[in-house]
Amino acid sequence: AQSVTQPDIHITVSEGASLELRCNYSYGATPYLFWYVQSPGQGLQLLLKYFSGDTLVQGIKGFEAEFKRSQSSFNLRKPSVHWSDAAEYFCAVGAPDDYKLSFGAGTTVTVRA
Amino acid sequence: DAGVIQSPRHEVTEMGQEVTLRCKPISGHDYLFWYRQTMMRGLELLIYFNNNVPIDDSGMPEDRFSAKMPNASFSTLKIQPSEPRDSAVYFCASKSGSHTGELFFGEGSRLTVL
Repeated sequence: AQSVTQPDIHITVSEGASLELRCNYSYGATPYLFWYVQSPGQGLQLLLKYFSGDTLVQGIKGFEAEFKRSQSSFNLRKPSVHWSDAAEYFCAVGAPDDYKLSFGAGTTVTVRA
Repeated sequence: DAGVIQSPRHEVTEMGQEVTLRCKPISGHDYLFWYRQTMMRGLELLIYFNNNVPIDDSGMPEDRFSAKMPNASFSTLKIQPSEPRDSAVYFCASKSGSHTGELFFGEGSRLTVL
């Protein structure tokens, strides 16, 4: 079964600074990978996804993520953070032969002025 | 489209009472998922349906939990009897039949069992 680890529980970043959130997955083949964002009191919204092809994926709100098979990682990045990016971020993994997604524990991002 | 609609948004009940959470998926989506979110355990998949049929309920905690999908536009998650440890946010999500399709989440139902 696939699984996801997000090593960082909480990250604080200054507005305008860059952000990188780490995600490591466990799966025997090429997984389907996702990043979701959850604002307080809201559901999860998809930021971006990777299935195949170009390992650098662009998403909404200026986010991007890079799939690195050798490191079993799918880290999320944003060059310049805005105060509205304060939220909880979830990495998720799915298998090509399964419709279920397994989510990481999440990383809470705080943006300071 | 209105998105995935869940009700109630908040529910406070006493231990032993029956709780029913409701979900209306996005029209045309043939997969429906129920997730539970807690601080301790994160997001856990409870059960999912395909074309109204339960496919995998291995995440359902115990017999006190049951889920149904009587038609393509409605699903319920029932807890009977409820216990304080059931307090959590319950999310419903739906997607189309493609493996690469996006999973759309509702805003969740926050359950507090006293």
